[in-house]
Amino acid sequence: GNSVTQMEGPVTLSEEAFLTINCTYTATGYPSLFWYVQYPGEGLQLLLKATKADDKGSNKGFEATYRKETTSFHLEKGSVQVSDSAVYFCALIPRNTGNQFYFGTGTSLTVIP
Amino acid sequence: GAGVSQTPSNKVTEKGKYVELRCDPISGHTALYWYRQSLGQGPEFLIYFQGTGAADDSGLPNDRFFAVRPEGSVSTLKIQRTERGDSAVYLCASSSDLSGNMYFGPGTRLTVL
Repeated sequence: GNSVTQMEGPVTLSEEAFLTINCTYTATGYPSLFWYVQYPGEGLQLLLKATKADDKGSNKGFEATYRKETTSFHLEKGSVQVSDSAVYFCALIPRNTGNQFYFGTGTSLTVIP
Repeated sequence: GAGVSQTPSNKVTEKGKYVELRCDPISGHTALYWYRQSLGQGPEFLIYFQGTGAADDSGLPNDRFFAVRPEGSVSTLKIQRTERGDSAVYLCASSSDLSGNMYFGPGTRLTVL
């Protein structure tokens, strides 16, 4: 089957700290992988994606690399800001069935000044 | 331009009642998705429309749930004989393709008393 497992939260970091949020997946075939973000009071928005092995998605200083060998897509940022405080969701869409996304449970990040 | 809008933003109803939740996708987006998000969980797929037809309704939990999109734009999710377990945030998303660039609405928070 298809599923996504995310690092449990909540995560609290000081400004400028390094961030890693772990995500591993199980999928039939080779899925596309995504990180979505939900800022307080807003809807989910796409943060970054990768569609094949070894691809690196990046946006707003965040990066994630599609690792087929470890079935992982960990989110990283070198220096977090208060404005990065949000809930982050890892997700996958199976190959050739581009209509059903599978989301992780979300990881809440709070960045303190 | 306008994003995905959902109405109402909040709905409180009594057990056994019928509810309708509305989604207005981004103009021109042919794909429309409904998800349900329970507290502390990631979004869970319900149904996907491509145009007017439900291309995949495998996520609907039972026959009390039904969704329509008669003109290929606005969609309505209908829940009959609501139960307390139906309480959740119902999210709508639209997309112009199957690449994963979904645009989510703010959601409708449904509370069944």
